[in-house]
Amino acid sequence: DAEITQSPRHKITETGRQVTLACHQTWNHNNMFWYRQDLGHGLRLIHYSYGVQDTNKGEVSDGYSVSRSNTEDLPLTLESAASSQTSVYFCASSEGRGTPYNEQFFGPGTRLTVL
Amino acid sequence: AQKVTQAQTEISVVEKEDVTLDCVYETRDTTYYLFWYKQPPSGELVFLIRRNSFDEQNEISGRYSWNFQKSTSSFNFTITASQVVDSAVYFCALSAYSPSGAGSYQLTFGKGTKLSVIP
Repeated sequence: DAEITQSPRHKITETGRQVTLACHQTWNHNNMFWYRQDLGHGLRLIHYSYGVQDTNKGEVSDGYSVSRSNTEDLPLTLESAASSQTSVYFCASSEGRGTPYNEQFFGPGTRLTVL
Repeated sequence: AQKVTQAQTEISVVEKEDVTLDCVYETRDTTYYLFWYKQPPSGELVFLIRRNSFDEQNEISGRYSWNFQKSTSSFNFTITASQVVDSAVYFCALSAYSPSGAGSYQLTFGKGTKLSVIP
């Protein structure tokens, strides 16, 4: 069965370190997204991609970067982790290319703690 | 800019009671899409329903029903005869054109409503 996976599921790191969160989907979806979930804020979009070599900034992109070298993967990098980036991170994908009407399928989430 | 408001932060009901989760949205777009997602205690997000702005028909799926009213910019979700398994955080979301960034459609989530169903 097609799925979307994230790794690691839990990560503790120190302030200033570079961290990369992996996202892999086997649906062959063009659209991929990264969100962070914080109490009182719901889910907020960090970055998104509509296909290989395409990346775009979302609402809360400062301090994060992504790259899309193939259809299946969209890794999220925290260049220099800060305590404010302690959060649960969700990756998602959807069909089409930039289409607004397709539901997004979410990964299981990565809980990141920055000490 | 688009906005989704879920005014109810937390709701508690006794099992078998009906409960309605409110969702109010804002957008200047005439074409947009509304979604509901469920996040059970296990943490994953599960898609429940999608509605487009041209379809105001209410929808029923088992114990779940959705009421979409453009006149009040609302897309409310009702669970009939609630069960303990309905305990979760429910998110309403809006997909509409966002001129910022790449000038594309983005999914904007409300802050969620935590529903607790007490046995």
